[in-house]
Amino acid sequence: EPEVTQTPSHQVTQMGQEVILRCVPISNHLYFYWYRQILGQKVEFLVSFYNNEISEKSEIFDDQFSVERPDGSNFTLKIRSTKLEDSAMYFCASIPAEGGGELFFGEGSRLTVL
Amino acid sequence: AQKVTQAQTEISVVEKEDVTLDCVYETRDTTYYLFWYKQPPSGELVFLIRRNSFDEQNEISGRYSWNFQKSTSSFNFTITASQVVDSAVYFCALSEPETSGSRLTFGEGTQLTVNP
Repeated sequence: EPEVTQTPSHQVTQMGQEVILRCVPISNHLYFYWYRQILGQKVEFLVSFYNNEISEKSEIFDDQFSVERPDGSNFTLKIRSTKLEDSAMYFCASIPAEGGGELFFGEGSRLTVL
Repeated sequence: AQKVTQAQTEISVVEKEDVTLDCVYETRDTTYYLFWYKQPPSGELVFLIRRNSFDEQNEISGRYSWNFQKSTSSFNFTITASQVVDSAVYFCALSEPETSGSRLTFGEGTQLTVNP
């Protein structure tokens, strides 16, 4: 069964460092998402991406965050200068088309900022 | 604005008991989707069910069943004859395609512990 894959599974970084989280969505999917879950809290929407541009972003997704699809298969989330509060699990997700379909989530990348 | 409330923060049961996880939602849209996801201790999000707003028929899948009632804006999830492997955090979620595409709004989650 096709699945969304994410790397790394866990990354530890120092505050102020740049981090790139990588995702490979399911191949025929067109809409891509990043969600965040701070430990013990709910899952929160960060950004959606379609047709090589951001279609929607939340108030969490400030100028420190960026996304891109550099090569037609990978979908990356970059945090330019990490803060302690960026420590969380980051989930990538994709769907074939918009409209309430099942969101296929990756297994998540745990980011720890020291 | 959309909102999902899972009032039960934690539930603890003994194996073989039935347990119901509550979910109440708020939306102004007439078309929307409701979801349940399971998050086991390993951390991934496991899709359980998607239900659209026009289909109020209850659904059963093995030991899992869902009760959708638009009149009370609720989408409750029942596990029958619970097992230790059901221990996880369960999230209810809502999407409103007309206003926010497939963006999901999650509830706070309910931590279910099933004791042997």
